[in-house]
Amino acid sequence: DTGVSQDPRHKITKRGQNVTFRCDPISEHNRLYWYRQTLGQGPEFLTYFQNEAQLEKSRLLSDRFSAERPKGSFSTLEIQRTEQGDSAMYLCASSLVTSGQETQYFGPGTRLLVL
Amino acid sequence: AQSVTQLDSHVSVSEGTPVLLRCNYSSSYSPSLFWYVQHPNKGLQLLLKYTSAATLVKGINGFEAEFKKSETSFHLTKPSAHMSDAAEYFCVVSDQTGGGNKLTFGTGTQLKVEL
Repeated sequence: DTGVSQDPRHKITKRGQNVTFRCDPISEHNRLYWYRQTLGQGPEFLTYFQNEAQLEKSRLLSDRFSAERPKGSFSTLEIQRTEQGDSAMYLCASSLVTSGQETQYFGPGTRLLVL
Repeated sequence: AQSVTQLDSHVSVSEGTPVLLRCNYSSSYSPSLFWYVQHPNKGLQLLLKYTSAATLVKGINGFEAEFKKSETSFHLTKPSAHMSDAAEYFCVVSDQTGGGNKLTFGTGTQLKVEL
């Protein structure tokens, strides 16, 4: 257990529905990252926050995706009008940047299945 | 752009024999490199990281990796495999362009340990 938690662990939804995932990072970690992992592949970067500011978004993050970190603590990732291609494991990681060094600690992930 | 190539998608060893998981990287500058392990239904766990200090990096559970700039390699080794080592292993390079620390994962190597 890394100390990063994600909820829910599993989500099954129908195409066209909206879903929201939550990530609770390690306390006082100032950076939070979202990644997506499809079957048989390594995780791919989606977006990251420095405190409450969203500083970068991948081209993988279509306009149906939105992420927030309102108070610089927990974060949510929402997918609107889900498509079958959104089926994947969504991973959250947090880190504390000190003296230029950074190690990301990953949560267990939320596995999404879109029917 | 940074990238990593994991040369074997599957590796099978007998318990008690050495493990070698191969990784080559591509980076335009001195990279930060990591190995993460993913057990079924568990989150990604950091095994070890290289950040331009010693080229031989020791990690958890008896794993180590050697950074070889001339060969652009960062292979993961363990002298004696244990059944509990069976998992998927990811070689990872860090991309620090844009201010964040985006991780680029390889496609993974599935390690099987047989009796």
